[in-house]
Amino acid sequence: EVQLVQSGAEVKKPGESLKISCKASGYIFTDNWIAWVRQMPGIGLEWMGIVYPGDSETKYSPSFQGQVSISADKSINTAYLQWASVKASDSAIYYCARRNYGSGSWNFFDYWGQGTLLTVSS
Amino acid sequence: QSALTQPASVSGSPGQSITISCTGTSNDVGGYHYVSWYQQHPGKAPKLLIFDVLNRAAGISNRFSGSKSGNTASLTISGLQAEDEADYYCSSFTGSSTFVFGPGTTVTLL
Repeated sequence: EVQLVQSGAEVKKPGESLKISCKASGYIFTDNWIAWVRQMPGIGLEWMGIVYPGDSETKYSPSFQGQVSISADKSINTAYLQWASVKASDSAIYYCARRNYGSGSWNFFDYWGQGTLLTVSS
Repeated sequence: QSALTQPASVSGSPGQSITISCTGTSNDVGGYHYVSWYQQHPGKAPKLLIFDVLNRAAGISNRFSGSKSGNTASLTISGLQAEDEADYYCSSFTGSSTFVFGPGTTVTLL
């Protein structure tokens, strides 16, 4: 069974660094890209970026380029979303999602993590 | 601001059909056959409904159907049921392993 299990909720102060995780199981981790999606309170989904664990290639939305870092460690089947310095406006739920692979179609997200709530407050 | 446009809300009576539109440009919706739709209930993670414009994901009711014409994709829910009350998001491939989501549409039963 495919599962994406994300790290727990975080409470941070502005300026602190943070790395949240998404641990995959039930499939070959290096076969599928993993994306990160932001959902601010009461707002819709925003595609942030994506990583290919096979070679760590990453792509970012222009809105998030330079604001976050996305990475993956294939030795432990885990993808990461990282901030060097969080801001109050980063408060949101963050989801990881697996890009489908195989069956001739791969441009959608078939499995999602449960979400990680980030609260940034002084 | 999202590159895709969706109506903020759509409502219908039980048993009726509703359609949610998702309008983009030739750089996203119109340029690829890669529009997907997701359902999200409050407090839950999004769930894949439709991929590649019109293909239902595994286990999804045939009451959900997708289509596309030009730069606009559509999700139709027929035989509206109470469990269909949720937020619905479209997503489009935008080239080179990048994607965009629409702002979401809240479906409400009358």
